Amino acid sequence: AQKITQTQPGMFVQEKEAVTLDCTYDTSDPSYGLFWYKQPSSGEMIFLIYQGSYDQQNATEGRYSLNFQKARKSANLVISASQLGDSAMYFCAMRERNTGNQFYFGTGTSLTVIP
Amino acid sequence: DAGVIQSPRHEVTEMGQEVTLRCKPISGHDYLFWYRQTMMRGLELLIYFNNNVPIDDSGMPEDRFSAKMPNASFSTLKIQPSEPRDSAVYFCASSLGLVGSGGDKNIQYFGAGTRLSVL
Repeated sequence: AQKITQTQPGMFVQEKEAVTLDCTYDTSDPSYGLFWYKQPSSGEMIFLIYQGSYDQQNATEGRYSLNFQKARKSANLVISASQLGDSAMYFCAMRERNTGNQFYFGTGTSLTVIP
Repeated sequence: DAGVIQSPRHEVTEMGQEVTLRCKPISGHDYLFWYRQTMMRGLELLIYFNNNVPIDDSGMPEDRFSAKMPNASFSTLKIQPSEPRDSAVYFCASSLGLVGSGGDKNIQYFGAGTRLSVL
């Protein structure tokens, strides 16, 4: 089974609107971390936001928030007030304690912000 | 800190040549990861180290690929001999050890990548 599933290969959003990028994960480890990375066309991988499995509150970082629904094993990224510079690939990732701290990445979602 | 440093940024070589990619992790990080990214296969974990020791190299495609970490501040990924299908972007990343220790300590930081073209 896939550890991380991103079901939206491509998404479009109007500038200044909010957008949600979906991510579901599969683990039986009670101790894990969830991450979102952004990869613009220039190619670098930029860390956006982190959520620990024991964190009680949803993580937020500026315009980014992570909608963490533990029972559903979902960790969706919400970008508010989209900007043209948000156009990029977005990857969801998970890290488990019991698999030796390895990171698992999803296949990514390509987001295009329309002016 | 300067972040994860990879060199070279771009490498163009001919089939059959040896290629060496280099990585300097963030100081103090005890985990180092090598990834390969292609359009066809996405982001693949090749190998990762903990305290300079390889933990999982099951992602290394074949014997032509080898990775070393002689000390905490340096790692290499070598391809010998290189083939056109090795053309990809190779990322190095580093982090502290894990989950449970909490918060930002769990973040994996990536280098800028090495774009390899094998002709």
